[in-house]
Amino acid sequence: AQKVTQAQTEISVVEKEDVTLDCVYETRDTTYYLFWYKQPPSGELVFLIRRNSFDEQNEISGRYSWNFQKSTSSFNFTITASQVVDSAVYFCALSEASNAGNMLTFGGGTRLMVKP
Amino acid sequence: GAVVSQHPSRVICKSGTSVKIECRSLDFQATTMFWYRQFPKQSLMLMATSNEGSKATYEQGVEKDKFLINHASLTLSTLTVTSAHPEDSSFYICSARDYSLTLAKNIQYFGAGTRLSVL
Repeated sequence: AQKVTQAQTEISVVEKEDVTLDCVYETRDTTYYLFWYKQPPSGELVFLIRRNSFDEQNEISGRYSWNFQKSTSSFNFTITASQVVDSAVYFCALSEASNAGNMLTFGGGTRLMVKP
Repeated sequence: GAVVSQHPSRVICKSGTSVKIECRSLDFQATTMFWYRQFPKQSLMLMATSNEGSKATYEQGVEKDKFLINHASLTLSTLTVTSAHPEDSSFYICSARDYSLTLAKNIQYFGAGTRLSVL
């Protein structure tokens, strides 16, 4: 069965610090997709990134970067020079290709608080 | 692009009434939509998968007669909480997948959620 673990329930940093959110997943599929979503206090989930299991290249988008390592089943998310607007709950999620409905399994979420 | 609209954003109702929540994909067609429930400070729990033109698939433990789902068009799915009780109070959030893209994309876009409070 698929499972996503976000061991850090809450992280608090001061503005301009770098912060890494951890995500570890479990799946028996060889083809799967990993996602990160941001949930600000307003409640909506904002899509940040999708990565498929065959693409282990790290990705950078502005202050955001992602490190995908199949060897450790991890898909960590780093925010560089954090800002107060980054304060939110971040969810890592997994979808297995063998699942016809492509349902997402979410981790428990990490609440990030960036203080000025 | 890929905007999902969910309405209402907040609803307060009396115990015993029914509440309908709408989820619309505004700029794409969604043959599949998903309904989630989220308790405070917890993750999202999938309630059901809504397929256009067919019956929804409910997750184990979710009462299909309690949570009625209708997906009558490629852009609209509705969730009706029937005879709501205080324990149904929660944050309900929908998502939709854009099938105009290749399956490899497989991205779910989420609505802003509906906060239901049953008195």
